[in-house]
Amino acid sequence: QSVLTQPPSASGTPGQRVTISCSGSSSNIGSNTVNWYQQFPGTAPKLLIYFNNQRPSGVPDRFSGSKSGASASLAISGLQSEDEADYYCAVWDDSLNAGVFGGGTKLTVL
Amino acid sequence: EVRLLESGGGLVQPGGSLRLSCAASGFTFNTYAMTWVRQAPGKGLEWVSAVSDSADETKYAASVKGRFTISRDNSKNTLYLQMNSLRAEDTALYYCARDYACDHWGQGTLVTVSS
Repeated sequence: QSVLTQPPSASGTPGQRVTISCSGSSSNIGSNTVNWYQQFPGTAPKLLIYFNNQRPSGVPDRFSGSKSGASASLAISGLQSEDEADYYCAVWDDSLNAGVFGGGTKLTVL
Repeated sequence: EVRLLESGGGLVQPGGSLRLSCAASGFTFNTYAMTWVRQAPGKGLEWVSAVSDSADETKYAASVKGRFTISRDNSKNTLYLQMNSLRAEDTALYYCARDYACDHWGQGTLVTVSS
C-alpha cells in the first residue's frame, strides 16, 4: 500500500484529454515536487514530468503536470494510441525520509 | 548519451547476499546523486535507496534498511547495492537511475530470491 494513491486504471479515446491523479499528504506532495514516469511493458520507466510541471526535452507538450496542496495530476491531451502505458507519480517523503512512488495507473486507449 | 548498465543479479537463496553494480557513462558521474528502484514481477515501482554525488549521504526505504547498503566508486563511475539477508519479497527487477529525480534509467537486473 503506497503512501501515494493513484487510480489503478484510466481510459480514453483517441483525441480525448485524460487526467491521472496522485494523492498524498503534507509530508510528501504537500512539501516537495512531484515527478511522473511513463513505462511501457517490458521496458524501463521514462521521466515524463519533473518539478511538478516541467517536461524533459523530447516529451510532447500534450503531457502536462500540476500540483495543488497534497495532490498532483498528470494530464494527457490529444490522446494517442501510443500513450497506452503505465504511469507513476513519485515524490520525496519527509516523514519517511525516503522516496515514494504511487501504485501506478494503467492507461488504456480505447 | 547517458548510459546505465546494471549487473550482478541472479538466483539466491533466502538469507543470502548479492551485490549489484551499475556502470555509468555519458555524463559526469561524480556530480549526480544516484538511485536504486525495484519492480517486483507484475507490480509497481518501489524506491529502494539513493546516494548523494559525494557519497556522504545515503537514504533507504524502510523495507531494506539495515539489510541493503548503497555505495559508489566515483573513480570507476560505478554505483553499487549490497544486499544481505535477502527475502522472497526482494525478488524484483532492480533499476539504477541517475539523480534523485531518476531522469535516466538502466534496463535493470533481475534478482530472484528462492530456495
